[in-house]
Amino acid sequence: QKEVEQDPGPLSVPEGAIVSLNCTYSNSAFQYFMWYRQYSRKGPELLMYTYSSGNKEDGRFTAQVDKSSKYISLFIRDSQPSDSATYLCAMSAKDTGNQFYFGTGTSLTVIP
Amino acid sequence: NAGVTQTPKFQVLKTGQSMTLQCAQDMNHNSMYWYRQDPGMGLRLIYYSASEGTTDKGEVPNGYNVSRLNKREFSLRLESAAPSQTSVYFCASNGWGAYGYTFGSGTRLTVV
Repeated sequence: QKEVEQDPGPLSVPEGAIVSLNCTYSNSAFQYFMWYRQYSRKGPELLMYTYSSGNKEDGRFTAQVDKSSKYISLFIRDSQPSDSATYLCAMSAKDTGNQFYFGTGTSLTVIP
Repeated sequence: NAGVTQTPKFQVLKTGQSMTLQCAQDMNHNSMYWYRQDPGMGLRLIYYSASEGTTDKGEVPNGYNVSRLNKREFSLRLESAAPSQTSVYFCASNGWGAYGYTFGSGTRLTVV
């Protein structure tokens, strides 16, 4: 079993829709959670960073962490064609040092 | 602009050839990483360097070697390239006070 599981999609939504992206994990020690966005033929870029449980909002993006269920989510409101990309979740624990564990990524297309 | 610079961006090798992928960061980060990204497999850690003078194996180190030349530079060497090493290679860095990794733009390597 992989440390981090993520549905690869692809996910296709109309412009303006609310998008929900999810990851599950098995290591209860994970406490740092990140979402990366990767455009085609580019490197991943950090989108959201959260520590422990709870919600974090940044503009149209909301990251949620439910440690009891070992489940994290990224919500995108009012999705735009420019949101079309692959979204990767990543997480780490204090005892993993600076090593992060990545999901395989979910490919999202927002149709105008 | 500050960040992680990778060279070359593209490379085609013949089976058995060797090459070195270069990576440099100018953010004074202590930790540097080499990942490969393959369809359906996500990002897999090849080697990492937690600090200058140290290197450690990641998930898929076979067929690769690394050198942490100084705090800024971390190179990845393929001694005898194989078709299974066809992939996109990303270098990343991370340091105290930094959230998540900063990735380079990647090297697309094809081994024929």
